[in-house]
Formats: sequence, C-alpha cells, structure tokens
Amino acid sequence: KAGVTQTPRYLIKTRGQQVTLSCSPISGHRSVSWYQQTPGQGLQFLFEYFSETQRNKGNFPGRFSGRQFSNSRSEMNVSTLELGDSALYLCASSFDRDYNEQFFGPGTRLTVL
Amino acid sequence: DAKTTQPTSMDCAEGRAANLPCNHSTISGNEYVYWYRQIHSQGPQYIIHGLKNNETNEMASLIITEDRKSSTLILPHATLRDTAVYYCIVRASNTGNQFYFGTGTSLTVIP
Repeated sequence: KAGVTQTPRYLIKTRGQQVTLSCSPISGHRSVSWYQQTPGQGLQFLFEYFSETQRNKGNFPGRFSGRQFSNSRSEMNVSTLELGDSALYLCASSFDRDYNEQFFGPGTRLTVL
Repeated sequence: DAKTTQPTSMDCAEGRAANLPCNHSTISGNEYVYWYRQIHSQGPQYIIHGLKNNETNEMASLIITEDRKSSTLILPHATLRDTAVYYCIVRASNTGNQFYFGTGTSLTVIP
C-alpha cells in the first residue's frame, strides 16, 4: 500500500509569510505526528493528532499549528515565518496512538529567505 | 526531552556486526526502548523496540541489560545501505505518538 505522502516536497518563502504543509497518512492510520528537523536542534516533536484532535504538543510557539481532517489527512501551518523556521518538516502516521511503529513521509523542505 | 546517550559516530566494516550502544540510566519501569534510523534525506525508519527482554527481527537484534539502564542494537551483517543515523529512544506506553529523538549515532559502514 502507499506510504505517507507529503506535499509540497520543497518550498521557498520569505520572512513574515505563512505556509501550509500537507500530510496524507497510510490508509487506515488514524494518528499523525509532525516533527521539525534542523541541523542545530535535530528532530523535534511538534504535535500529534488523533481523531481530529490534538493529543500532544511539543515546545513550539503558537505560530505553529495544525489540524486533522475526518479522513485522517493533516495539515500544519506556520504563520509569520522566521529565518529559523527553515527546516525539514516530517510527518509520521501510525495505526493508533500507542502503536509502536510510526511510518515517516519523505518530508517537506522549507526554506525561509 | 531525550533521555538517552549515544556515541556521536561509529564505523563498521561491511559484512561485520555493528553494535550500537545506548545509555538510558533514568529509564522508568513502563518505558520501552525504541530504535529508529534515518538514511540521508529520508524520513526515519522503525527498526525494533523492547521492554526488558532481548528482541530480534529481520533487521536487527536488541539487547537490553538486566537493570535496563543500557541497551545495544546489533546489525548482524552490516551493508553499505545500513549507513545512517541511528536513534535510541525511550518512551512510556500510553503517552501517544511523540518520540524524542536525541542526537543519535552516525554509523558509517566501510567497504
């Protein structure tokens, strides 16, 4: 079956703009988590969605938000972009909340100029 | 926050076993040990997990010490495609799908 898909794969924005990233989980998976990866901070947990509700949130400012739709697809939004938001944004899906294996997508590479 | 300590980098000869250590001295009784790896420019990939018993699957073996304060991931016959960053993670059950990845070990398999 198809894996986790993320769109777009690459994105260039300027400071102050906002951006929306999309994630389609594996069919049947209900939990979607988002991570930010930068060379300096590594992989950091952003938030987790399950049944259209945010279940966990990492230590990120309110400019980072997300949502999940009834078909489990998820979007994350970053408003008022800063240079430091340049990163690889990874989405992971799993069948359930405490499922042991998460399946990661290829990520969206965001560059903020 | 990451609760694990791993060496920054390791080398392994192709065809030999790669043994990747991880210290998790503050692990709680309900926390599992997970291993993921990330090959350059790809998303992380699940390898294996365990609670207190040793575990083996088609990819690797996980050896957890009796006191559970450390563990070792073993790739029995490393290939060039195993070159990646390996993350050791501890996570309690019933806490949802948030994983704290830490800095990981960069494994280079040498021909």
